[in-house]
Formats: sequence, C-alpha cells, structure tokens
Amino acid sequence: GAVVSQHPSWVICKSGTSVKIECRSLDFQATTMFWYRQFPKQSLMLMATSNEGSKATYEQGVEKDKFLINHASLTLSTLTVTSAHPEDSSFYICSASRGLNTEAFFGQGTRLTVV
Amino acid sequence: GIQVEQSPPDLILQEGANSTLRCNFSDSVNNLQWFHQNPWGQLINLFYIPSGTKQNGRLSATTVATERYSLLYISSSQTTDSGVYFCAGYTGGFKTIFGAGTRLFVKA
Repeated sequence: GAVVSQHPSWVICKSGTSVKIECRSLDFQATTMFWYRQFPKQSLMLMATSNEGSKATYEQGVEKDKFLINHASLTLSTLTVTSAHPEDSSFYICSASRGLNTEAFFGQGTRLTVV
Repeated sequence: GIQVEQSPPDLILQEGANSTLRCNFSDSVNNLQWFHQNPWGQLINLFYIPSGTKQNGRLSATTVATERYSLLYISSSQTTDSGVYFCAGYTGGFKTIFGAGTRLFVKA
C-alpha cells in the first residue's frame, strides 16, 4: 500500500482563529489530493480537489475563502480553516493516490473542535 | 452526478455469523473500493476491486461492473469487525464518491 499522513489528529481552537491541517503522502508523489469532511454518523463529503501547482477545485457549496487549500509540493497539501466558528467543528480527512483511477489512500483524519 | 447506495444501513450480528453488504451504483464507475472506518475515524483500505472477486482472510469482495454493484462478504464475524463499512466509486478523473455506509455491530 501507500502511506498518507495527516496532522494534527485533533485540535481545539477558539472561535475566530485559523487552523491549518497538513496532509502528506510519505512514500509516493501525488499530483492530486482530496479533502473530505465528515459529520457524526454520516458519510464522507468531498470538499475540494487539491492540485499541485494550481488552484484547488471546490465542490458546490464549499466556501473557498473559509477553507483555503494549498498544494505546495507533490507530497504536501494543506487545508486552512480560516476564522473558525463552532459550526466548522467536524472531522476532516484527506486522501491521495498515485495516479488516475488508482487506489486511494486516506490520512488518519483531523478532529476539529471550535470553542 | 453518480449515486452510491449501500445496504443494509445498519446490521447487528452475533459473533461468528456471516454477512453480506451491498453497494449499488447509479452509473458506471471507473473503479471501486471498500473501506472499514474504525472507531477512531481511520479509513482502512479493504479492497480495491474494479471487477471480479478478491479475498483477504475472512473478508472477500465481488464486483460486477456491468450490473453496477459490488458485494462485501464477512465470514465468521468478530467483535473487532464492528464499525462502518463504506464503498466508494471513482468517477471520471480522481474523484471518489462514497456511499452512506453500513454500520455493523458484532455482539460477543
């Protein structure tokens, strides 16, 4: 398989602050990574597609200015939740794959709590 | 867009029992994966199975791409099998679309 590492695993922040979540592919290069959000007892909802060297592609209804995505290198994508509010509290998961239509591997997820 | 339906939504088993989980797709998918989400939220890759049958220990999966469904078989279930099982299909490009999941609880 392949390893995708996500950091931090959990974070608590105050309302109004920003939080950055990192997603790294440890043993392969990923030109594309994905960010998902999961509410309790629900499925994973795709938020955006992160493309190395270009702007992210956001799904309908996802605020670009709220969820900033940067794909700085072939092994690192970051998701920054800006001016976080309690309703942004959720479980965020990233994924990466080696190439088109190949197996996807997921990070451990980040549980964000905004107080 | 593509719709992914999983059944049953919830399943309670006695330890040692067998079960079959189903995943239906509204349209053709380029590929298909099965995952187990553990209590800590980690998604564990079970099978990457665009077609045919694969087996890994007590688990096996079959995908019939022409009929747009996939099945996950769990035999001799154990309490550690509890959790949520997701199937996910790949649409054009990289996008992975998830079903709603099957929540499994195995009783000792």
